[in-house]
Amino acid sequence: EAGVTQFPSHSVIEKGQTVTLRCDPISGHDNLYWYRRVMGKEIKFLLHFVKESKQDESGMPNNRFLAERTGGTYSTLKVQPAELEDSGVYFCASSQDWTIRNTIYFGEGSWLTVV
Amino acid sequence: QKEVEQDPGPLSVPEGAIVSLNCTYSNSAFQYFMWYRQYSRKGPELLMYTYSSGNKEDGRFTAQVDKSSKYISLFIRDSQPSDSATYLCAMRAGGTSYGKLTFGQGTILTVHP
Repeated sequence: EAGVTQFPSHSVIEKGQTVTLRCDPISGHDNLYWYRRVMGKEIKFLLHFVKESKQDESGMPNNRFLAERTGGTYSTLKVQPAELEDSGVYFCASSQDWTIRNTIYFGEGSWLTVV
Repeated sequence: QKEVEQDPGPLSVPEGAIVSLNCTYSNSAFQYFMWYRQYSRKGPELLMYTYSSGNKEDGRFTAQVDKSSKYISLFIRDSQPSDSATYLCAMRAGGTSYGKLTFGQGTILTVHP
């Protein structure tokens, strides 16, 4: 069974440009999460989708970040315009449901460098 | 002040050693505690999960939680070179979705033969 897949694995863009990251969760997983880790910091929660609805977006840093999950399948995270401090690793994770016993599975991350 | 404090290391031990990894936290709302392992250029992988004070054992791994002291530990017995990775503690408050985790910074562990 395929795991959580993320694309692109690496991206280098200039400040002010736009980048769109994509996440394909494990098939059948209604819950999808975005996290990020910026240099020298801990992994931080960004938001949580249940199917196509945003359950919790309390971790989104500002309105330059837009997450979507049309149709409740894959999700995109767009950064527009990108700033230097957005550089880091963006992780996507998914779980079958959001009860206590359910494991969430992480993708390998999308590494973003803003220059 | 960070909600979760974790010594980033790095920690280097010989094969066969007992490894102790620790996190402290300040948020009393945290009720669920996890340890993740992350290999280089990979995503975090769940190792251990617990929600009560005390010990939980799984093979060579033991997770310990002391809610009164706001302190959690992960012990690795008979460490192997394949245990070399970054170990992340993670916590979740009650009443929040399972996936809304607060992570420590991670401890880089190297086990040398």
